[in-house]
Amino acid sequence: GESVGLHLPTLSVQEGDNSIINCAYSNSASDYFIWYKQESGKGPQFIIDIRSNMDKRQGQRVTVLLNKTVKHLSLQIAATQPGDSAVYFCAERQNQGGKLIFGQGTELSVKP
Amino acid sequence: EPEVTQTPSHQVTQMGQEVILRCVPISNHLYFYWYRQILGQKVEFLVSFYNNEISEKSEIFDDQFSVERPDGSNFTLKIRSTKLEDSAMYFCASRDPTSNSQHFGDGTRLSIL
Repeated sequence: GESVGLHLPTLSVQEGDNSIINCAYSNSASDYFIWYKQESGKGPQFIIDIRSNMDKRQGQRVTVLLNKTVKHLSLQIAATQPGDSAVYFCAERQNQGGKLIFGQGTELSVKP
Repeated sequence: EPEVTQTPSHQVTQMGQEVILRCVPISNHLYFYWYRQILGQKVEFLVSFYNNEISEKSEIFDDQFSVERPDGSNFTLKIRSTKLEDSAMYFCASRDPTSNSQHFGDGTRLSIL
């Protein structure tokens, strides 16, 4: 069942270091995955996406890796900056209608 | 850059009252969504809407909930008789037809007293 008041996993890194945030997804039939960044009081902000026929995709300072064998997704942030501090969610799309299933989130804290 | 806008940013309502949350999706998007996030929990899907009808809904989206696209720009979520457990952030999203990415508004914080 659902947990009430989830304690988010927290990742604390030094400014300038690389960050890796991990996510396990639930449905092997999911065909599309997205990473979102959520700052306090704001909605989820799109960072990067990847389709299930790929295993790696790069953006500006971010890379997403997909391992379908173990249903694992990761987000790598290069040269992490204080402005990267936020909660990061992975989401999977389970059907063509686009319904997204979100993971529980990881709180990234960047120390200057 | 075009964005999804939601109003109001905060809505306080007495239990049992009706509430309407409003959203203006990005103009060329065709699929629209409502999600909610209870404080400290993950984002949960409520409903998807395409071609003026609901395409999918979750177990949360019971008979007390309804959605409407009353004109060419607005997309609304109505809760007919609010309960304490409806207190949450409600996010509207719309989907880019070229990339399939969903773009979210900044949400409405709904507080039921």
